Amino acid sequence: AQSVTQLGSHVSVSEGALVLLRCNYSSSVPPYLFWYVQYPNQGLQLLLKYTSAATLVKGINGFEAEFKKSETSFHLTKPSAHMSDAAEYFCAVRQNTGGFKTIFGAGTRLFVKA
Amino acid sequence: ETGVTQSPTHLIKTRGQQVTLRCSSQSGHNTVSWYQQALGQGPQFIFQYYREEENGRGNFPPRFSGLQFPNYSSELNVNALELDDSALYLCASSYAGEETQYFGPGTRLLVL
Repeated sequence: AQSVTQLGSHVSVSEGALVLLRCNYSSSVPPYLFWYVQYPNQGLQLLLKYTSAATLVKGINGFEAEFKKSETSFHLTKPSAHMSDAAEYFCAVRQNTGGFKTIFGAGTRLFVKA
Repeated sequence: ETGVTQSPTHLIKTRGQQVTLRCSSQSGHNTVSWYQQALGQGPQFIFQYYREEENGRGNFPPRFSGLQFPNYSSELNVNALELDDSALYLCASSYAGEETQYFGPGTRLLVL
């Protein structure tokens, strides 16, 4: 069985500060891992994905995430927060052996203070 | 290349009624998945269709059903609506075997 835990339902940072959103996963098979962003009243936009290649994955808008198998983590970071980063962020896992089901975490809402 | 579109954007129904939500996949994508996102929660997988057949289902009752058409558009049907069915319904399309899904903007359903 697969599962995703996002630590912290709300994270608040100041503009220009480091963004760190935490995600831990559980999977009995090697996973694909994703981070999505959702702006109010919109669908999900893919930020980045891990598909068993490089463990440090770079995405759009300056975000990156590192896959750490020993810690079963896939934390999302951005060196300097911008006001436009305020949104809901979802971590997701999918098995890479032909599985069809993507499991999402509960989400972390990021607030950026001026 | 057009993205994933969904209709309608918003819908209000009464408990016990039936609803049909529609999704148009991204051009060339042959797989579509549907998700339910309740307020304040992450999306929950409902089911997936590939070549007009359901090939995977989440923990949702049979009153949630779907169709996929030869042009890869799809429908989500929900019968006997309950208050808890109020949510944002998202569809996502992809190529079979590829890991990346592309999401539509969703349909927000309110059941009164």
